[in-house]
Amino acid sequence: SAVISQKPSRDICQRGTSLTIQCQVDSQVTMMFWYRQQPGQSLTLIATANQGSEATYESGFVIDKFPISRPNLTFSTLTVSNMSPEDSSIYLCSVQWGQLLSGANVLTFGAGSRLTVL
Amino acid sequence: AQKVTQAQTEISVVEKEDVTLDCVYETRDTTYYLFWYKQPPSGELVFLIRRNSFDEQNEISGRYSWNFQKSTSSFNFTITASQVVDSAVYFCALKILMDSNYQLIWGAGTKLIIKP
Repeated sequence: SAVISQKPSRDICQRGTSLTIQCQVDSQVTMMFWYRQQPGQSLTLIATANQGSEATYESGFVIDKFPISRPNLTFSTLTVSNMSPEDSSIYLCSVQWGQLLSGANVLTFGAGSRLTVL
Repeated sequence: AQKVTQAQTEISVVEKEDVTLDCVYETRDTTYYLFWYKQPPSGELVFLIRRNSFDEQNEISGRYSWNFQKSTSSFNFTITASQVVDSAVYFCALKILMDSNYQLIWGAGTKLIIKP
């Protein structure tokens, strides 16, 4: 499985500012996923990032609020823009083991970025 | 509707007790996959097990065991002789094919507290 490095691990941000989270994978992967986990909640998929194309956003998430970059097969960034206290969450980067689109693929996760917005 | 229910929000047991975490899923698909992940306090989700819908064999891995029963749409997880290090949030998830893409549907998670 891949090893994922995510940073920052945590941050405290002011309302109205933006923060970019970085996700580095130790091997090339086709698809990278960004999840949000609000306090005490389950995981919600924000978007899927493929290299060389625009990210695909899930319902309720828009590019203006969560712009994503995917410049190569080992790296992606997620920006949380114009933050409000409701954006206080853990943001998780993940990748699938293997390159094939298979239901059996397993996700590997980064350690997450815990954001607190004041 | 496709859904995963983990009815137990939080479970607290004393070390060495056995504990079962329940997972009930709903899907009309005949082909699907079920997963369990562990999220310790450090935050990183760790894969524990995967099952496809055609494999109802139960599995044991050390102190962990999983009971998959299609008749009741359940995929329960038992920890035998629990240890403090088992304290974590455990998520059950269902993966199905929707509109040519696989979708992962997460349960709400069960927080397991093991007291020394």
